Amino acid sequence: AQSVTQLGSHVSVSEGALVLLRCNYSSSVPPYLFWYVQYPNQGLQLLLKYTTGATLVKGINGFEAEFKKSETSFHLTKPSAHMSDAAEYFCAVSHTGFQKLVFGTGTRLLVSP
Amino acid sequence: NAGVTQTPKFQVLKTGQSMTLQCAQDMNHNSMYWYRQDPGMGLRLIYYSASEGTTDKGEVPNGYNVSRLNKREFSLRLESAAPSQTSVYFCASSAPGGDNQPQHFGDGTRLSIL
Repeated sequence: AQSVTQLGSHVSVSEGALVLLRCNYSSSVPPYLFWYVQYPNQGLQLLLKYTTGATLVKGINGFEAEFKKSETSFHLTKPSAHMSDAAEYFCAVSHTGFQKLVFGTGTRLLVSP
Repeated sequence: NAGVTQTPKFQVLKTGQSMTLQCAQDMNHNSMYWYRQDPGMGLRLIYYSASEGTTDKGEVPNGYNVSRLNKREFSLRLESAAPSQTSVYFCASSAPGGDNQPQHFGDGTRLSIL
């Protein structure tokens, strides 16, 4: 069965600091992995995705994530946080034939001046 | 350039009332989804429709029904609302091409059941 674990329901950083949001997945077959961002009172927007090929994936707004099969991880990073990055972030997993996504419980990123 | 449109944006119901949440997409997507979002629980899939004419249960289907009216529209119905169904409901759609396609989300319907 597919599952996603996001460590830390809240992560706090200072503006300009490194952002690291953790995601571990469980999948018995090669996964497709996604990161979404949700701003207050809005729907989810795709940040980036991994399907096949290069394991370091770059997304919008300066975010990137690295697929590490040996660690079953897909952590999201950004070198320097901006106030506008404050939002909730969701990791999700799928695979061929699954027809749907399984989401993690989300991590709320707080950015202080 | 609307993407996924959900109506209404807010609704308050009394226990036992029924209502239908509407969703429409203008991206010619095949697959459509209904989720509920509750604090600390992420998004949980209620029902999905992989293509026009098909619907399947997701993780939490009890108390809900769906209709894929045509390729554009996918509605969610609560026949007899219960307080446990107070939540934010999101509709999403995805393009053909397989499970590696991202889902595109509407802005949600905030539903309170008293």
